[in-house]
Amino acid sequence: GAGVSQSPSNKVTEKGKDVELRCDPISGHTALYWYRQRLGQGLEFLIYFQGNSAPDKSGLPSDRFSAERTGESVSTLTIQRTQQEDSAVYLCASSLVGQAGGNTIYFGEGSWLTVV
Amino acid sequence: GEDVEQSLFLSVREGDSSVINCTYTDSSSTYLYWYKQEPGAGLQLLTYIFSNMDMKQDQRLTVLLNKKDKHLSLRIADTQTGDSAIYFCAESIGTGGFKTIFGAGTRLFVKA
Repeated sequence: GAGVSQSPSNKVTEKGKDVELRCDPISGHTALYWYRQRLGQGLEFLIYFQGNSAPDKSGLPSDRFSAERTGESVSTLTIQRTQQEDSAVYLCASSLVGQAGGNTIYFGEGSWLTVV
Repeated sequence: GEDVEQSLFLSVREGDSSVINCTYTDSSSTYLYWYKQEPGAGLQLLTYIFSNMDMKQDQRLTVLLNKKDKHLSLRIADTQTGDSAIYFCAESIGTGGFKTIFGAGTRLFVKA
């Protein structure tokens, strides 16, 4: 697609429920990222996929968080047994590794998650 | 470790220059970036600099990199009210991959 697409754009869920957030990266981009941005805060790195390499999961805050990516396309971030502190904007981004300008990252609009 | 630090707030008068500073810890950074986030909008790339450069100029924007001190700055000349936003410093780490770490962002307020 023309840009990084995320769905849902907004999600309100009850504490304890599981949620899935989806990301469609820019076609042909080999790298895909998930970040979390709490209200008024900076970007918190969660996970990074690059081609067929093992993902860098070092930013996932707990074992309730997991992410998958199918080849070099769609990714799903799953949060199990959601807690109120999970409320944030979850930003997906993609990049074409090796292009001029290094690793310019293109962001989606984010999925706003509210846990009540 | 991987860490990017920025001051949280900066306030300037319209027409003055703004200087936003950033420090990073990872010496294997390949590229360093400045992203802009306007209220209610997503992040957009402003400019970037390769780690073997020490300066890059792009219209009103000047990026200075001091690799020895691991210090990056963004200067905005003739700051306008439309420049009010959050500015994120970011570094791409390593040569085999491009894991990108962001700072917490600097909120720039421009007073008319």
